[in-house]
Amino acid sequence: KNEVEQSPQNLTAQEGEFITINCSYSVGISALHWLQQHPGGGIVSLFMLSSGKKKHGRLIATINIQEKHSSLHITASHPRDSAVYICAVSDPGNQFYFGTGTSLTVIP
Amino acid sequence: SQTIHQWPATLVQPVGSPLSLECTVEGTSNPNLYWYRQAAGRGLQLLFYSVGIGQISSEVPQNLSASRPQDRQFILSSKKLLLSDSGFYLCAWSARRANSPLHFGNGTRLTVT
Repeated sequence: KNEVEQSPQNLTAQEGEFITINCSYSVGISALHWLQQHPGGGIVSLFMLSSGKKKHGRLIATINIQEKHSSLHITASHPRDSAVYICAVSDPGNQFYFGTGTSLTVIP
Repeated sequence: SQTIHQWPATLVQPVGSPLSLECTVEGTSNPNLYWYRQAAGRGLQLLFYSVGIGQISSEVPQNLSASRPQDRQFILSSKKLLLSDSGFYLCAWSARRANSPLHFGNGTRLTVT
């Protein structure tokens, strides 16, 4: 069993739809990270959070420490949001564990 | 600001040939450095990480090796590539403190033929 589980694996949405990607983890963490990987392969960090909620533009990330669960929400989705979204957790030793990613396609 | 450079971007190598991928970080000192491999449809697999010059930890037995000759330089090598070494390789760094985000290079797509 992986330390980090994401769902769904694949997601197709119409432009404008509200999108939710879920992440569950089974290890003790210092922080949870949401990453975005575009078709070219480069990965960028979207959020790092250890409690509560963070918002950046149309993206919102939440975490429930007790339930070991996080969600990434995208409001008013746009085709340029199409990418693979990866959930990762880091432990106190700054070792990282990764989910297998959610491939999102937003159709115009 | 901090930047990470990884090269080459793509590489096609025959089986049995050597490999050298290089990664350098600018704008920070004493970073943790990581080499990951991403196979199609799978998550990121940690290959090596380093907390300092000459200090390398290997997570997965394989025919790859890593070296850190300078504080901000991390090299992934192989003496003889296998077909199974094909994949997407990513270098990354994080600050030494806890709760530090991971910063990735643009990756190297390696095809072993």
